Amino acid sequence: NAGVMQNPRHLVRRRGQEARLRCSPMKGHSHVYWYRQLPEEGLKFMVYLQKENIIDESGMPKERFSAEFPKEGPSILRIQQVVRGDSAAYFCASSPAISGGQDTFGSGTRLTVV
Amino acid sequence: EDQVTQSPEALRLQEGESSSLNCSYTVSGLRGLFWYRQDPGKGPEFLFTLYSAGEEKEKERLKATLTKKESFLHITAPKPEDSATYLCAVLGPFSGGGADGLTFGKGTHLIIQP
Repeated sequence: NAGVMQNPRHLVRRRGQEARLRCSPMKGHSHVYWYRQLPEEGLKFMVYLQKENIIDESGMPKERFSAEFPKEGPSILRIQQVVRGDSAAYFCASSPAISGGQDTFGSGTRLTVV
Repeated sequence: EDQVTQSPEALRLQEGESSSLNCSYTVSGLRGLFWYRQDPGKGPEFLFTLYSAGEEKEKERLKATLTKKESFLHITAPKPEDSATYLCAVLGPFSGGGADGLTFGKGTHLIIQP
């Protein structure tokens, strides 16, 4: 049973381009969380999704960032018109239900904006 | 706003030298306090959940304790393979939209020298 799969592991984008980060949750998990880890900072919650629904996006920047978790396929975190400050590690976690924090994390996507 | 402060930021110990990591938190309506381990280039790996003051959990050389204001992660006779960053996180009360994400501290970077 594969864990939470994130791809790509590393992504380099030029300023102004779009970044798409993908997260396939563990088999049987229908809840997905995205976190961002900036250099020298702790993990920051961004968004919580269930299939076809955004449940809590209180941690998402108001502009340029969006997330989806379609009925079929992985969850996608999309960053439009990237800037250097978007460079960070982005982690996805999944759980089978409202797990209350005992989520399984992926290995992350490291985004570098040049 | 939920806050989590971890200390020390970094800790270097000799193999077999026991110590404790601290996690101070401020949250209204704690649903749970969590300890994770994070290795370089990896996502956080769940260790423990604590729900109420006085609770303790143990796993191999690790023991987590909880009071109303802080949690400790005690490491007894550590080995080099215990070297990692240890993250503390809290889950606050439910928001109107559903289960929120975790609020993480910045972590304690632990190095165990042979």
